[in-house]
Amino acid sequence: GAVVSQHPSWVICKSGTSVKIECRSLDFQATTMFWYRQFPKQSLMLMATSNEGSKATYEQGVEKDKFLINHASLTLSTLTVTSAHPEDSSFYICSANPGTAGTQPQHFGDGTRLSIL
Amino acid sequence: TQLLEQSPQFLSIQEGENLTVYCNSSSVFSSLQWYRQEPGEGPVLLVTVVTGGEVKKLKRLTFQFGDARKDSSLHITAAQPGDTGLYLCAGADITNAGKSTFGDGTTLTVKP
Repeated sequence: GAVVSQHPSWVICKSGTSVKIECRSLDFQATTMFWYRQFPKQSLMLMATSNEGSKATYEQGVEKDKFLINHASLTLSTLTVTSAHPEDSSFYICSANPGTAGTQPQHFGDGTRLSIL
Repeated sequence: TQLLEQSPQFLSIQEGENLTVYCNSSSVFSSLQWYRQEPGEGPVLLVTVVTGGEVKKLKRLTFQFGDARKDSSLHITAAQPGDTGLYLCAGADITNAGKSTFGDGTTLTVKP
């Protein structure tokens, strides 16, 4: 089945640090990937849609200068949390669709637990 | 804006009991997915339903898609402690750049 790999799985860093999270589709190409944020015992909140070769589309209220997204290849999207602060601590999850977006279910990475001290 | 209401939000039951989780919307979806998520991990796909009225079974889990493709249910028979987790429904819309609308989730605890 479709496999999405996310790295790192856990990050602890000091306030003011920038953190990069990678999302890779291992056995399929994905022109579109999605980045979510999740708080404990809550559902997923879509942050942005990552588009290969073009700018990401951000959801309302998400700061694009804070959460930089790059989708330089068909198998890799990165999310960089710039100048992270404690309020950015959360569980970040990426997903990708094999095939045409909307016709196949999304497959998720294992998430990245980000803790800012 | 598409919304997907999921209920109940929390459910705590004894091993062996049955339960049903509901997802309802006023919008029509191209397909609907059910996921199960454990703490510290990403959601894992359980099933995709595409056709209105469709019923799919996965061992003790039965999934149904409403005739109008606006709602869905997940029924678990004889729940086991291993069923404990966060269950998420997600509606996909092919006309909306493949974005999925997620329900608020149901946290299920099955006590031995």
